Amino acid sequence: EIVLTQSPGTLSLSPGEGATLSCRASQSVSSSYLAWYQQKPGQAPRLLIYGASSRATGIPDRFSGSGSGTDFTLTISRLEPEDFAVYYCQQYGNSPRTFGQGTKVESK
Amino acid sequence: EVQLVESGGGLVQPGGSLRLSCAASGFTVSSNYMSWVRQAPGKGLEWVSVIYSGGSTYYGDSVKGRFSISRDNSKNTLFLQMNSLRTDDTAVYYCARESSTGDYFDYWGQGTLVTVSS
Repeated sequence: EIVLTQSPGTLSLSPGEGATLSCRASQSVSSSYLAWYQQKPGQAPRLLIYGASSRATGIPDRFSGSGSGTDFTLTISRLEPEDFAVYYCQQYGNSPRTFGQGTKVESK
Repeated sequence: EVQLVESGGGLVQPGGSLRLSCAASGFTVSSNYMSWVRQAPGKGLEWVSVIYSGGSTYYGDSVKGRFSISRDNSKNTLFLQMNSLRTDDTAVYYCARESSTGDYFDYWGQGTLVTVSS
C-alpha cells in the first residue's frame, strides 16, 4: 500500500500568514489521484481538494493544491480564523485508499 | 441536499458484535460507491471498507474477515456489521460517499463512536 507522510506535524501561524503543507507518497500516485481534507474538532472531515489541484465546491480560492508523482502540497494563501484545523491528504490512485497522518495548523 | 446520518455505535466487550447504519438522503446509495472510514481517539483517518454500485465489496487488512459492508436499497441505507471486535477497533466510524469522478470522499456523516472495552 502507498504510505503518505505529511509534514510538518504542526504548523504554528498567525491569521493572515500563508501556510504550506506537504504530503509525500512512498510511491508514485497514479494520475495525481490525491485529495486534501480539513477536519475541525468534533467534526467530520471536509473535502477541500481533489485530483491534486481541483477545489471542491464552495472551497475558497485561498486554498490551492499542487504536485504530482510523490510530492504534493496544500497552500493556504492567507489564514483566516476558521482555517485553524487538522489537514489530511488521501491517495485514491492505488488500492487501498490511504490517508496521511495529518498536519495541525494552530494559531500562534 | 446530501445527508448521511450514522447510528448504532456504543460500548461493546471484546469479541462482541455491533451493526452500524448510515441513512442517506438527497442521493441514491446504490448508485454510488460508499465507504466506511474510522478514526481512533486522537488519531488519523483509516479507510475501512467500500461497497461499489455494482455490489462488489472490499476491506482494509485490519478488518478483513471480521467486518461486512452491505446496503438496503429500499431504505437507502448503508451498514457495517462488525464481529470479533477488538480494543483497537475503538474509533469514530464515518460513512462517506465517494465522488463519481474518483475514489475520494465528497460527503461525510457526522460519525458514530464505537468503544470496545471490558
